[in-house]
Amino acid sequence: ELKVEQNPLFLSMQEGKNYTIYCNYSTTSDRLYWYRQDPGKSLESLFVLLSNGAVKQEGRLMASLDTKARLSTLHITAAVHDLSATYFCAVLPVDRGSTLGRLYFGRGTQLTVWP
Amino acid sequence: DAMVIQNPRYQVTQFGKPVTLSCSQTLNHNVMYWYQQKSSQAPKLLFHYYDKDFNNEADTPDNFQSRRPNTSFCFLDIRSPGLGDAAMYLCATSRVAQGGEKLFFGSGTQLSVL
Repeated sequence: ELKVEQNPLFLSMQEGKNYTIYCNYSTTSDRLYWYRQDPGKSLESLFVLLSNGAVKQEGRLMASLDTKARLSTLHITAAVHDLSATYFCAVLPVDRGSTLGRLYFGRGTQLTVWP
Repeated sequence: DAMVIQNPRYQVTQFGKPVTLSCSQTLNHNVMYWYQQKSSQAPKLLFHYYDKDFNNEADTPDNFQSRRPNTSFCFLDIRSPGLGDAAMYLCATSRVAQGGEKLFFGSGTQLSVL
């Protein structure tokens, strides 16, 4: 059974601090996605990581992918309140015949940033 | 401008009463997906269309059906909703392309079953 595990599931951090969210997965994949979801809202695409060693940055968020370790990280630098949301990683397995959009999501990390 | 539009935003139905959720897209993407997301859980793929080709996930209950009359529209039909079907239903689209598919999600329909 394919597993996508995120940790932590809940993260409460002070503004200005740094932290990393981890995403481990159990299948062969070279495509890893990060999404943000605000309460009651849909999913917003943050990053698409397509190869081993890929690193992408947008503002205070930086995502990386290590396909050999089957690990992706989402690093938060100098957190601000606006980053409060739930962050999901999702994996697209490569060992299935038709893999179009068959993303497997982690359970999400609920991030709260407080003053 | 909204690119993937879901209606309605909130839907309330009665136990066992058929309900249809709709999704439209202005992106001309050839793939459309339906995901189910229950409270505090990860989104789960129900099925997807690649053009007119329907692909059902193995564990999607028979109670869930889908229609795609044209490129722009896709419908999710729940024939006999149960209390366990209360969830957010997310429609998404993608364009098949080398280098990875980026999914564009609609705003979702929150379904309540009374």
